[in-house]
Amino acid sequence: GAGVSQSPRYKVAKRGQDVALRCDPISGHVSLFWYQQALGQGPEFLTYFQNEAQLDKSGLPSDRFFAERPEGSVSTLKIQRTQQEDSAVYLCASSTRTASGNTIYFGEGSWLTVV
Amino acid sequence: QKEVEQNSGPLSVPEGAIASLNCTYSDRGSQSFFWYRQYSGKSPELIMFIYSNGDKEDGRFTAQLNKASQYVSLLIRDSQPSDSATYLCAVIPGYQLIWGAGTKLIIKP
Repeated sequence: GAGVSQSPRYKVAKRGQDVALRCDPISGHVSLFWYQQALGQGPEFLTYFQNEAQLDKSGLPSDRFFAERPEGSVSTLKIQRTQQEDSAVYLCASSTRTASGNTIYFGEGSWLTVV
Repeated sequence: QKEVEQNSGPLSVPEGAIASLNCTYSDRGSQSFFWYRQYSGKSPELIMFIYSNGDKEDGRFTAQLNKASQYVSLLIRDSQPSDSATYLCAVIPGYQLIWGAGTKLIIKP
């Protein structure tokens, strides 16, 4: 596709339910990032992939969060046993390479509400 | 101290005036600086990026960078109601974007 595609756009989950959020980056983009944005805050870094390798997962808030990108293209962010504090927008972004100065392209986000 | 600081606002500016948005950052190794605009319910969209000290102009937008003072700003000339949004400053000290919390800008007709 022409841009970064995320699905589902909106998800309501009951507390304790597992959710999976999908990101389809721009074709050929090596780098893929996941960010979490709470209401009224800037995005917070979660994790970073270069191709299929997860090079940085320091931003994942707990071991309930897991991300993968097994073939170096599509990525899935999984949240197990969701809690209310997980309610946020989850933004996926991709770029062509890792060096500073790149333009990073964002998807429209997956809006998660945990009730 | 957060790595990227912005005044949360709201900043209210009359239509047609200049809106000035400011951002400071803590990592002196930061090389790239970005301004994103985010409308309510939407993802951030890139407006400007700047790498070198000085000013960079693009239409009604001017980004200003002062690495010695660790300060980056965004000026919006001839402000329009459609400019009302949250403006996020972001820097890249390594390979990932570090974001401020954003400044809410309101342009009053």
